Amino acid sequence: DAKTTQPNSMESNEEEPVHLPCNHSTISGTDYIHWYRQLPSQGPEYVIHGLTSNVNNRMASLAIAEDRKSSTLILHRATLRDAAVYYCILRVDKIIFGKGTRLHILP
Amino acid sequence: EAGVTQFPSHSVIEKGQTVTLRCDPISGHDNLYWYRRVMGKEIKFLLHFVKESKQDESGMPNNRFLAERTGGTYSTLKVQPAELEDSGVYFCASSQLWLKGEGQETQYFGPGTRLLVL
Repeated sequence: DAKTTQPNSMESNEEEPVHLPCNHSTISGTDYIHWYRQLPSQGPEYVIHGLTSNVNNRMASLAIAEDRKSSTLILHRATLRDAAVYYCILRVDKIIFGKGTRLHILP
Repeated sequence: EAGVTQFPSHSVIEKGQTVTLRCDPISGHDNLYWYRRVMGKEIKFLLHFVKESKQDESGMPNNRFLAERTGGTYSTLKVQPAELEDSGVYFCASSQLWLKGEGQETQYFGPGTRLLVL
């Protein structure tokens, strides 16, 4: 299975944009890139996914590199409620979570 | 629309006892997954049902764990007998059935059952 690499933790100020990177250099041509997050004391929740083109939804944007070996989850205006562990995932029939990136939001 | 529900939210049992966790998926979702996070570790896949059939149970740690999904609706995960290392948070997730390999399914997770074995 292709693997993903994410920074262990990141910090951002409230109401500023946050760019969460993910490297997936061994991604196959048919792998979608998914992002999930886990807020404290909750189950993981879906954020966004994409294949080749950049994607936007009400929660976030996903920027995918042209060679697809990396992607960036963009939270346009972080709030305290966005403090969570963010997971970049390639396979979703049997999710392999990894350690993810713990995002801290500073008020 | 009701989300994935899990019962109980917390369970404290003694080593050697039996515990049964229940998961009610979103109505109409054929895929049902169990995951768990033990203390300090990453969330790990346990098994996957498609309707009432076990599609993949490669993550089940040993034969003390038994999962069922009667009639393709709710699922139970029984741990018998429970051991100390079984403590952790057990998550259930469900999703609609996609064609195999399409890779676009979205899993919806329940809040988890926090199990503590003393």
